[in-house]
Amino acid sequence: EVQLLESGGGLVQTGGSLRLSCAASGFTFSNYVMGWVRQAPGKGLKWVSVISGGGSSAYYADSVKGRFTISRDKSKNTLYLQMNSLRPEDTAVYYCAKGLGPSGGVFDYWGQGTLVTVSS
Amino acid sequence: DIQLTQSPSFLSASVGDRVTITCRASQGISSYLAWYQQKPGKAPKLLIYAASTLQSGVPSRFSGSGSGTEFNLTISSLQPEDFASYYCQQFNSYPLTFGGGSQVEIK
Repeated sequence: EVQLLESGGGLVQTGGSLRLSCAASGFTFSNYVMGWVRQAPGKGLKWVSVISGGGSSAYYADSVKGRFTISRDKSKNTLYLQMNSLRPEDTAVYYCAKGLGPSGGVFDYWGQGTLVTVSS
Repeated sequence: DIQLTQSPSFLSASVGDRVTITCRASQGISSYLAWYQQKPGKAPKLLIYAASTLQSGVPSRFSGSGSGTEFNLTISSLQPEDFASYYCQQFNSYPLTFGGGSQVEIK
């Protein structure tokens, strides 16, 4: 059974940093693209970042480019999102998601989400 | 960036109704479109990808159609568990983008 368990969310001040983690199990981690999608309170879904199965390629939304870094650790089956220079508009539930294959942008499994709150 | 416009944004329907949600892309995306269902407080669930391919385990009352710039998600006979929000998403190119969502509520 595929499981994705996010952690690392919390309350941080503007300009601060957080690192989100997503522990994956139930599939061969390095064979699949992984991504982060966020949802501000009461709003729709917004894509944040994806990383290829092998970790060699990463893509970011313009709103987070230069501030967020996605990475993955094959030995720990864990996906990360390092978030720096946080802004109030980054406040959202952050979902970790598994891709359908080693590349591409369709997500077939999602974690339960972790809430990040950035206070001004 | 490719913009996705969903309509309607809000839909009131009854159990047993046939429901169609439309997603329009600002430029052609071939069949690189997915549909997700989200219930309050829960993570999204993949329903359909490649415009019309039903994800494993999803009931056959859900179907997707379209290509290019116009796509539809149809629920042939609405069930109580289908009352939720629905989002389209394009994966033709980065940045990946989602539509604004369509909320289906009980009439």
